[in-house]
Amino acid sequence: AQKVTQAQTEISVVEKEDVTLDCVYETRDTTYYLFWYKQPPSGELVFLIRRNSFDEQNEISGRYSWNFQKSTSSFNFTITASQVVDSAVYFCALIDTDKLIFGTGTRLQVFP
Amino acid sequence: DAGVTQSPTHLIKTRGQQVTLRCSPISGHKSVSWYQQVLGQGPQFIFQYYEKEERGRGNFPDRFSARQFPNYSSELNVNALLLGDSALYLCASSLGLKQGRNTEAFFGQGTRLTVV
Repeated sequence: AQKVTQAQTEISVVEKEDVTLDCVYETRDTTYYLFWYKQPPSGELVFLIRRNSFDEQNEISGRYSWNFQKSTSSFNFTITASQVVDSAVYFCALIDTDKLIFGTGTRLQVFP
Repeated sequence: DAGVTQSPTHLIKTRGQQVTLRCSPISGHKSVSWYQQVLGQGPQFIFQYYEKEERGRGNFPDRFSARQFPNYSSELNVNALLLGDSALYLCASSLGLKQGRNTEAFFGQGTRLTVV
């Protein structure tokens, strides 16, 4: 079955702390794509990253970094030096045929 | 360039009524997908349309239907509304059919539907 699990329902940190959001996936496909989206209170899902299964290099974009490990079926997301503007719900997702399968999301609250 | 636009932003309907939600994709995008997001959950796939044809359908009852127009905009219709249909309905557009493989899906801000 195609499934994405985000075990952390809610995380609270103080500004400038580092925070890691966990994502574990299950897939029957040998080639697959994983995503992270950010959902601010406005509701729009903002695309953050796409990673394909044959590229296991970690990626860094500014304060954001992603750790993809096929051996543990995980695709974790780390925010370094968090800021109040990072407060949102973050979703990990997997492509199943031509649709996105989302996890239940992790609500991140960053306090000043 | 305008992003994905959805209308209306908010909507309140009574049980048993019918509702139509609208989506305009990013210019040049031919694929539109609809997702339902119940409070506290991740979005669930409802439909995908590409070149005006239904290309995928999620596990939703026949009360849900959609269509895509020649200009690639789309409508989602829900008949005989139930309280459980209350949710944020998100529209996503992508360049091609195989979203994720060669093109990301870009989402609108959604329509928040409340059924009372």
